[in-house]
Amino acid sequence: DVKVTQSSRYLVKRTGEKVFLECVQDMDHENMFWYRQDPGLGLRLIYFSYDVKMKEKGDIPEGYSVSREKKERFSLILESASTNQTSMYLCASRRRDSRSYEQYFGPGTRLTVT
Amino acid sequence: AQSVSQHNHHVILSEAASLELGCNYSYGGTVNLFWYVQYPGQHLQLLLKYFSGDPLVKGIKGFEAEFIKSKFSFNLRKPSVQWSDTAEYFCAVIYSGTYKYIFGTGTRLKVLA
Repeated sequence: DVKVTQSSRYLVKRTGEKVFLECVQDMDHENMFWYRQDPGLGLRLIYFSYDVKMKEKGDIPEGYSVSREKKERFSLILESASTNQTSMYLCASRRRDSRSYEQYFGPGTRLTVT
Repeated sequence: AQSVSQHNHHVILSEAASLELGCNYSYGGTVNLFWYVQYPGQHLQLLLKYFSGDPLVKGIKGFEAEFIKSKFSFNLRKPSVQWSDTAEYFCAVIYSGTYKYIFGTGTRLKVLA
């Protein structure tokens, strides 16, 4: 059974803190993604990684960075958290050569920045 | 810009009612189309997908969707909903030559028992 796990389901941080969101997949997928999910806005891509140490900006990368030191792990970093980063964060992974393009999602981390 | 529209943001139905959720994508060439579902407290999962061939595709749990190229639409249907179909449904598209999903804003479906 495929699995994408995220380090926390709920997280509360203060404005200005550095925040790390971790994602691990056990499917040996090359591609990994970070999205944020907001009511009425759907899912928006923050960053994408297509291999270890490789990354591309998505649609809303401002205020975020990522790290992919190992194939199975993709971290999202909020360098200085702000209240407008309060959101649900979803990690996903996919095989690079997948003809189905199916992405497997983690359960999400609901981050509140106060 | 490439985009996906889901016109119904909230839908409330009684059990056994028929369901149709609209999805339209902007013109941009060859597309791959998807519907994902997120049940309360669960992760997002694939419901069905269309790549080519028969424009009527069947997915899990009795759902189906029809690709109408002339209307740039990929509407999701189910003849008779159940309480357990209460969830948020997302339409998504990948344009040929790109890697990235473009998601719609989602439709929250509530089925009353």
